[in-house]
Amino acid sequence: EVQLVESGGGLVQPGGSLRLSCAASGFTFSSYSMSWVRQAPGKGLEWVSYISSSSSAIYYADSVKGRFTISRDNAKNSLYLQMNSLRDEDTAVYYCARVEIVGATRWFDPWGQGTLVTVSS
Amino acid sequence: EIVLTQSPGTLSLSPGERATLSCRASQSVSSSYLAWYQQKPGQAPRLLIYGASTRATGIPDRFSGSGSGTDFTLTISRLEPEDFAVYYCQQYGSSPPMYTFGQGTKLEIK
Repeated sequence: EVQLVESGGGLVQPGGSLRLSCAASGFTFSSYSMSWVRQAPGKGLEWVSYISSSSSAIYYADSVKGRFTISRDNAKNSLYLQMNSLRDEDTAVYYCARVEIVGATRWFDPWGQGTLVTVSS
Repeated sequence: EIVLTQSPGTLSLSPGERATLSCRASQSVSSSYLAWYQQKPGQAPRLLIYGASTRATGIPDRFSGSGSGTDFTLTISRLEPEDFAVYYCQQYGSSPPMYTFGQGTKLEIK
């Protein structure tokens, strides 16, 4: 069974840092691109970052560029999101998602269950 | 940057009725890059449709996607009680590389 399990969320003060992890199982992790997507309380979905299978291509949403860093360890089947200089508006559930790329088609499937990050003093 | 606008914001229907959800892009989007997701309260999103019209594995055939260019539609032919949820469209843009979601349509029981 394909599974993604996020961890590392919690309460952090504005300006603080947090590192999220996503453990993958049930598929060949090193063959897939991955992404982080977040959802503020009661709000819609917002894409955060993307990393290709070999880490050769990395992209960020403008809202987190320069503050967040995505990385992966294919030997450990794990995806990470280092979040620095956190702001109140970064409060959200953070999901990791596998990126399916078939020809020109792209989509997110599956998604993890999410981990809640709360930025508050 | 492409903006996706979903309408209506909330759709109130009864089980057995037909639901039509719209996703409009601010500029033309490749059909290959358009996907739809379903999200129920407290759950992660679930893929329904990719490539604008291809159902994901295990998705019932009452769900269908259509459209091209700037106008895309998700249709649920006969609503089942488990279909009441929030639906999001999503597109991939290559210049610059980024993914964008619509703001969502909440499908609620009338």
